[in-house]
Amino acid sequence: GNSVTQMEGPVTLSEEAFLTINCTYTATGYPSLFWYVQYPGEGLQLLLKATKADDKGSNKGFEATYRKETTSFHLEKGSVQVSDSAVYFCALKQTGGGNKLTFGTGTQLKVEL
Amino acid sequence: ETGVTQTPRHLVMGMTNKKSLKCEQHLGHNAMYWYKQSAKKPLELMFVYSLEERVENNSVPSRFSPECPNSSHLFLHLHTLQPEDSALYLCASSQVLAGTEAFFGQGTRLTVV
Repeated sequence: GNSVTQMEGPVTLSEEAFLTINCTYTATGYPSLFWYVQYPGEGLQLLLKATKADDKGSNKGFEATYRKETTSFHLEKGSVQVSDSAVYFCALKQTGGGNKLTFGTGTQLKVEL
Repeated sequence: ETGVTQTPRHLVMGMTNKKSLKCEQHLGHNAMYWYKQSAKKPLELMFVYSLEERVENNSVPSRFSPECPNSSHLFLHLHTLQPEDSALYLCASSQVLAGTEAFFGQGTRLTVV
């Protein structure tokens, strides 16, 4: 079946540091890949997505590239801010797979001054 | 109002009570989902409705009963819950199309006492 594996958290960084959150997946065919963010007390918000190999999704300074050869979709940001503190979820949506999203366990990011 | 709206935001109920969670989407989507988010656990997909038909029920106990009267509304009826059912319940919606993302509500924080 489909699965998504994320790096364990929490990840603690100083403001303006470089961020990488690793995500790898297992799926048949060509799934679409997503990063969602959850701020405290809120639901999940879509951060970025990529629908085919080599696509790069980007938003608010965050980027992730769909790498089919390594089945990865790592999230990166060049300079984090305190306001980026949240839980980040990697997810995939299998084409024809009942239209459901499969999520990773989430990675908590804490950014300190 | 736009997006996905869940009510109530917070709910405390006794184990013998009956209550319902409501979700409404104003995005013109035709698929809706219930997820359960518990502390230190991955997001659990509970139910999926696609074109108002239930297409997935992930071995959820019968004390949880979903209802989807139309493509804009989704309910989760609760009865005889257990303390371990305390969690954040998230509703989401999407189009039934490959590559499309799901939009989430802010969730209902449920506490069973």
